[in-house]
Parts: sequence; C-alpha cells; structure tokens
Amino acid sequence: SAVISQKPSRDICQRGTSLTIQCQVDSQVTMMFWYRQQPGQSLTLIATANQGSEATYESGFVIDKFPISRPNLTFSTLTVSNMSPEDSSIYLCSVLDRATEAFFGQGTRLTVV
Amino acid sequence: AQSVTQPDIHITVSEGASLELRCNYSYGATPYLFWYVQSPGQGLQLLLKYFSGDTLVQGIKGFEAEFKRSQSSFNLRKPSVHWSDAAEYFCAVGAQDDGLTFGKGTHLIIQP
Repeated sequence: SAVISQKPSRDICQRGTSLTIQCQVDSQVTMMFWYRQQPGQSLTLIATANQGSEATYESGFVIDKFPISRPNLTFSTLTVSNMSPEDSSIYLCSVLDRATEAFFGQGTRLTVV
Repeated sequence: AQSVTQPDIHITVSEGASLELRCNYSYGATPYLFWYVQSPGQGLQLLLKYFSGDTLVQGIKGFEAEFKRSQSSFNLRKPSVHWSDAAEYFCAVGAQDDGLTFGKGTHLIIQP
C-alpha cells in the first residue's frame, strides 16, 4: 500500500492569495490525482498529474486557477490561485497503486476568509 | 460520461441490525467499483473494490458488496452494524489508470 503525506493539513487564507499544497508518496507511482471535497459534498476530480507531462484537467477546472506540478514519481503540488471563499474545501491527493487501488492522503482543509 | 448515484442521503440503523447501502453507476466500459468510508475529520478508507471475477466481494470491517451488471448496481452490505460504523460512505467508479467518479455519499447514523 502507498502512504501519502499532505502538507499543510489545514490553512486559513485571505482572499486573493494563493496556497500551494504538497503531496508526498512513499513509493514511486505513475498516476497521481487531485480531488476537491466542498463542505458537506462528495469528492470531485480536479486533475490527473503524470510525471513528465502536463496535468489533465476535468471539466470546470483550469490550469490558471489550479496549477499542478509533478517533478518526479513521488511528489506533486497543487496551487489554489487567487482564492475566494468559494474555494474553501478539503483538497485531497490520491495515487493509484499498480493501477488497481486508489489511496488518499488525509487532505488539506482550506478556509478562505 | 460516468456517474454514480447513491439514492439515500441519510440512513439510520439500530446497532446490531443489518445494513444495505445502495449504489448505481453509469459507465461505458467494464467498471472498477469501490466503496470508501470517511469518518468525521478522517481521510478516506477503502472498504472494498471490484475489478472482475466473483461478483460478491468481501472487504474490511465485515462489509461485503455485490456487483450486479444487469442492474448496474454495487450495493454495500453488513449483517450487523456497530456504533463505530457511523460515518459517510462513498461509492466510486473508475477505470484502470483513471481518476474516480464518486457518488454524493450516504450518511450512516447508528441508533443505540
């Protein structure tokens, strides 16, 4: 199984600022994913991040708002840019272990004030 | 496009009673199906998964789920619930090397 560490675990940010969330995995993985869980809601896939290529964004999410880096097979970052209160959510990193099981980090709880 | 429907937003069950959480999916190909549990303030924990083979799959914590292709369903069951099972349960569908599509979740309440 894969162990995922996300930083920060929570943050309170001013509107208009940006926050970068880090995701570190204890093993090399090809596929990494970023999800958003808005308050009281389910998880929505933001984008897929593969090492060595541009991230692939789902409908409703754009690179300018959620830039993603994937510099190697164990690390990725998601930036939430120009934040507004509507961006207040839990952001989760996920990896596929040998393409059969999805593991999730504990999430980053973001509050925008 | 794929979708997952969990028709029950809230379910209340007495401790010791049986449980069934419903999940219906729409997917163009053979799906990979998952059930996750999320306790308050906790991350997501995988209960069980189905890729192929035996349509009745066993998971952790005494949970099982049955894949029924004809009904596009993957319902989660437990014969006897414990107070610690109170949580949010998510059904998800995906494919190999793909992100997951989640249902809206079912909030399980356990009555003493």
